Amino acid sequence: GAGVSQSPSNKVTEKGKDVELRCDPISGHTALYWYRQSLGQGLEFLIYFQGNSAPDKSGLPSDRFSAERTGGSVSTLTIQRTQQEDSAVYLCASSLGGAQNTEAFFGQGTRLTVV
Amino acid sequence: KQEVTQIPAALSVPEGENLVLNCSFTDSAIYNLQWFRQDPGKGLTSLLLIQSSQREQTSGRLNASLDKSSGRSTLYIAASQPGDSATYLCAVTGFGNEKLTFGTGTRLTIIP
Repeated sequence: GAGVSQSPSNKVTEKGKDVELRCDPISGHTALYWYRQSLGQGLEFLIYFQGNSAPDKSGLPSDRFSAERTGGSVSTLTIQRTQQEDSAVYLCASSLGGAQNTEAFFGQGTRLTVV
Repeated sequence: KQEVTQIPAALSVPEGENLVLNCSFTDSAIYNLQWFRQDPGKGLTSLLLIQSSQREQTSGRLNASLDKSSGRSTLYIAASQPGDSATYLCAVTGFGNEKLTFGTGTRLTIIP
């Protein structure tokens, strides 16, 4: 595809339910990032995948959050037992990877609302 | 821990003026710095990437400079247009840690 694709674009869920957010990176990009942007706040790093290396999970806010990347391409961010404070826009980005090629390209985001 | 600051938080200028947005970072051990714009309700659009060995990058009416030793970058926008209204974010990628650390952004409004 031409760019990073995220789905769904909007998700409303009830408190306590699990949600899955999907990210399709640019073809050939080995690095993939998830960020969270709460209303009026900056971008908060969540997790980073690079090739076959172990992911950097240092930004995940709690054990209710997890992410996987299958086949080095598509990634899924899962939030279990959602809480109202999880409401935010979840942004995914990809890059060619490697220190000299980290121009990151972002998707349009998934707006998650927990009611 | 890397910290990235953008001042001012908001800026309004009349159409046609040239303007400068500022970004500062606390740890100069970076691979590169990237400028993005974000329109309301949208994702981020990459504008310019400056490698740590470079001093500046240009794209159309945009020029970004980098002074790694002082921990500063500027984004210069020439002949501003109403379509330039957006939030502008800078982000740095540090050594040994390829995640991007973002500033909180400058919300730019160009007044027609």
